[in-house]
Amino acid sequence: EAQVTQNPRYLITVTGKKLTVTCSQNMNHEYMSWYRQDPGLGLRQIYYSMNVEVTDKGDVPEGYKVSRKEKRNFPLILESPSPNQTSLYFCASKRGNVGGGNIQYFGAGTRLSVL
Amino acid sequence: GESVGLHLPTLSVQEGDNSIINCAYSNSASDYFIWYKQESGKGPQFIIDIRSNMDKRQGQRVTVLLNKTVKHLSLQIAATQPGDSAVYFCAENSRTGTASKLTFGTGTRLQVTL
Repeated sequence: EAQVTQNPRYLITVTGKKLTVTCSQNMNHEYMSWYRQDPGLGLRQIYYSMNVEVTDKGDVPEGYKVSRKEKRNFPLILESPSPNQTSLYFCASKRGNVGGGNIQYFGAGTRLSVL
Repeated sequence: GESVGLHLPTLSVQEGDNSIINCAYSNSASDYFIWYKQESGKGPQFIIDIRSNMDKRQGQRVTVLLNKTVKHLSLQIAATQPGDSAVYFCAENSRTGTASKLTFGTGTRLQVTL
């Protein structure tokens, strides 16, 4: 089954404790992206990757890091989480960028609480 | 499941009636638009899309209308069913150099009453 898989689904942590949220897709998609979703603000893009070893900042990149060492994986790293990073996070992928299809497929989400 | 928004505009529709969800977009250069559905505890799911050179596109029970003059997008759901209850997002795609970017609206909650 074609899907985007995020882990963990739920995470409670404390300020300053480094964490990683994993994302994996099995559709051989070139493009992957991370979003956060907050009440009243919709989905905002954190980082995206157009291909292996190619990453770029989205609208709200502060406090986050990503890496794209393999095509299928795009982990989101919070080096020193803060309470304002408490949010619902989604990973998404799509077949290509310009001319490659624009439908993004989303994971089920990761609910992060930073105390 | 996860809450996607505490103060979303809400549309309440009786089962069997038609639903119309509206969206205003901001970038007149956007070339592609998508509607997503998000059920409680799940990620957004693609419903239907439309390119900027079209003004209407139909799917199964859903129709998207695009009015570029007033930068308005609507999603029509025919014969609304309880399973249609969800939050609906529009998204506009714009190009910056070689990159394309999706910008999402804040969403509308659709409640289907029996």
